[in-house]
Parts: sequence; structure tokens; C-alpha cells
Amino acid sequence: DTEVTQTPKHLVMGMTNKKSLKCEQHMGHRAMYWYKQKAKKPPELMFVYSYEKLSINESVPSRFSPECPNSSLLNLHLHALQPEDSALYLCASSHEPTGTNEKLFFGSGTQLSVL
Amino acid sequence: QQQVKQSPQSLIVQKGGISIINCAYENTAFDYFPWYQQFPGKGPALLIAIRPDVSEKKEGRFTISFNKSAKQFSLHIMDSQPGDSATYFCAPLGSNYQLIWGAGTKLIIKP
Repeated sequence: DTEVTQTPKHLVMGMTNKKSLKCEQHMGHRAMYWYKQKAKKPPELMFVYSYEKLSINESVPSRFSPECPNSSLLNLHLHALQPEDSALYLCASSHEPTGTNEKLFFGSGTQLSVL
Repeated sequence: QQQVKQSPQSLIVQKGGISIINCAYENTAFDYFPWYQQFPGKGPALLIAIRPDVSEKKEGRFTISFNKSAKQFSLHIMDSQPGDSATYFCAPLGSNYQLIWGAGTKLIIKP
């Protein structure tokens, strides 16, 4: 299994809602990532988890809250989002966080619309 | 610095032609140079990557050419096919071991 699975594929939420994005991989990868991608732009790194611990937070607003319950799962909890947060949210994983295996495996993303 | 400049922004190539996308970087500490391919509605996928100890790497119709002195690397797609129509990103590995993404090139292959 070489897939990263993200759910839901599409999400529409109001600015007062609380929702969660989910990501799962069964490749034994020890690093997992959240990226945000606006239309016609490259992915922007949000968070990195290494061995289930948060290792990088790219100054992301607190209305985005990541969680790594175990080595296969990654969640992104959303609360009080703004319309400008509408984007494609991508989850990725890699075998090791640094150096030895740089290849990232991406999921298909969650297309989020904030109304 | 971690800046990466990718060109062109968009490219239209006839079927069977050669597609060429370029990436220039400033940080000489980069030591891993991948290209990612992204189809609409999908996440990026690693296409091909090179390390600076070689000047060229070929995988099927895809070739990376690397010029260390000029701090540039390019992606060549030979015999371009409509199925190659996608957005391509160069994304060298930065000093914090995270990818530094180029702006992307939207490639359209005309049948």
C-alpha cells in the first residue's frame, strides 16, 4: 500500500463551525506533513510531525490545530476559519523526516471552502 | 537564501515535441533536486530527482539536466504526450530539510 488517504475530499464550512480533516498512511512512514495549496500556487508547508511529535509549525494561526494520534494517522482540526482559508489541504508522508529519504507521498487533498 | 525561480509559468507543446522547464536556485547548500507532477484534483507526485554529483539523470521520457556552476536544473520531457499535461514543480531540499517549491509550470500538450 503506497497511498496516503485523505477524508473528506470536499468540505464546506461556516466561519463558526468546527471540523476536522483526516489523513492516513500505512507505509510505515515516520514523518507526516500538512500543506495548504491555493489555486495556481505551490504547496505551502504548515506542519511537520516527526515520530508523532510536532517538529515544525510554520507560524500557522491557532485556528488550525494539528494532531497525530499515532504513526499512521494525522488530523487537522479547524475552528473559526476565515474565507481566505479556503484552499486545497494536502497531507503527505515520508519515510524519514530528514535526509535519508526525501520523497514525499501526497494524498489527493481536501478541497475546503469557508463561507 | 532559499529562493527558487521556475520558468516558464506556462507552456504549450505539440504532441511528440520536447517540453523544457527550468529552475534556478540561489542556495548552494541544496543537495537534492526533485521535480513533482500534479494533475488537477490530485496531490503532487515525485516524478524524477537528481543529486548534484551527476549532471544528468534519465528515466524513460523524462530527463533532469543539472548545472551546478550556473545553479540551474531543468526537466526535459521527450515525445510529449497529452497525458503529460499537468503542473510541474521544482522543489529542491532546503537547509531545514524541507522542500522549497518553485511557482509551478502549467504544461499543455496539444494533440
